[in-house]
Amino acid sequence: DQQVKQNSPSLSVQEGRISILNCDYTNSMFDYFLWYKKYPAEGPTFLISISSIKDKNEDGRFTVFLNKSAKHLSLHIVPSQPGDSAVYFCAASEDFGNEKLTFGTGTRLTIIP
Amino acid sequence: EAQVTQNPRYLITVTGKKLTVTCSQNMNHEYMSWYRQDPGLGLRQIYYSMNVEVTDKGDVPEGYKVSRKEKRNFPLILESPSPNQTSLYFCASSPGLAIHEQYFGPGTRLTVT
Repeated sequence: DQQVKQNSPSLSVQEGRISILNCDYTNSMFDYFLWYKKYPAEGPTFLISISSIKDKNEDGRFTVFLNKSAKHLSLHIVPSQPGDSAVYFCAASEDFGNEKLTFGTGTRLTIIP
Repeated sequence: EAQVTQNPRYLITVTGKKLTVTCSQNMNHEYMSWYRQDPGLGLRQIYYSMNVEVTDKGDVPEGYKVSRKEKRNFPLILESPSPNQTSLYFCASSPGLAIHEQYFGPGTRLTVT
């Protein structure tokens, strides 16, 4: 049972436009969410996170939005750059003292120059 | 440089031949974990360790063993590999203490024939 779902396996966006990656979850116990970025032949790297007490967290070009009632989060990248082309994984954790992460299946983002 | 290292990076082996994938981190992290990445399934946790001599099963532990004799090392052992363990494996670590951001190694691509 996939508790964290990324329903779009791939996404293509023009350079300079906004990229929106979506993630849905089913476990209501999740209260901390993260986005990881992965380039080919490398391990995932942490990008941005949000706790359930917030509905938005921003870091430069990256913003994560959390809608707890819909069990949905999204990652916005503005403006999109060619170096943003990568696979993005959404991940969730059940409680603040628990380091276990449950990952989604990933979305491959391609930025078109 | 703070990092998680894995060896080997690539391995082709035959069914039943025991193998070990090493993982080492130089950040004095408490928490370490192993994941496998398969197409369409994202990253799934195999085993994790909250500290030295403390290990526990993740979501897909069957066919794997781990040990945590030292804080920096967390080897993954396949006693009798099978073709369904062909996958891309990642080791990760985090400081623990409710810090969820995990640092990943570069990955080990294992093929079992």
